[in-house]
Amino acid sequence: EAQVTQNPRYLITVTGKKLTVTCSQNMNHEYMSWYRQDPGLGLRQIYYSMNVEVTDKGDVPEGYKVSRKEKRNFPLILESPSPNQTSLYFCASSPNPNSYNEQFFGPGTRLTVL
Amino acid sequence: KNEVEQSPQNLTAQEGEFITINCSYSVGISALHWLQQHPGGGIVSLFMLSSGKKKHGRLIATINIQEKHSSLHITASHPRDSAVYICAACQNRDDKIIFGKGTRLHILP
Repeated sequence: EAQVTQNPRYLITVTGKKLTVTCSQNMNHEYMSWYRQDPGLGLRQIYYSMNVEVTDKGDVPEGYKVSRKEKRNFPLILESPSPNQTSLYFCASSPNPNSYNEQFFGPGTRLTVL
Repeated sequence: KNEVEQSPQNLTAQEGEFITINCSYSVGISALHWLQQHPGGGIVSLFMLSSGKKKHGRLIATINIQEKHSSLHITASHPRDSAVYICAACQNRDDKIIFGKGTRLHILP
């Protein structure tokens, strides 16, 4: 089944404890992206990647890192999480190396930073 | 001012009504997406538009590039259409995606 998977789906952690949220797609998509969704602010783009080893900042990249060492995976790294990073995170992928195509979204990861 | 504005923010209608959700944007775009977020949180892509009009079942999306405006229409609305509808603009200068804040639609049986 074609899908985007994220792990974990739910995570409660404490300030400063490094964490990684994984994202994987099995559709051989070149474009992948991370978003966060907050009440009243909607969805905002964190980072995106047009291909392996190519990553770019979105609107809210501060406090996050990403890597794209292989096409299928695009992990989101929080080196020192803070409470303002409590949010619902979505990973998405798209067939071509730009954003002009339908995006396939993962199920979301609800992160709470205490 | 947000670069992507949606209206209305909330909409409650009776089953069977014709629904229109509007999206205006101020940036140059290469394409505009309409997304549906179910009450459980999952997000599904409904349409990607760069010009004209697209139709899928009871859903119709239109875009007017000159006026920087897009609309999503639902004909013969049904309670299962209750969801948050989000428009997202793909900026042509850098491929970043900017989202509207969403329209929460509730269809009453």
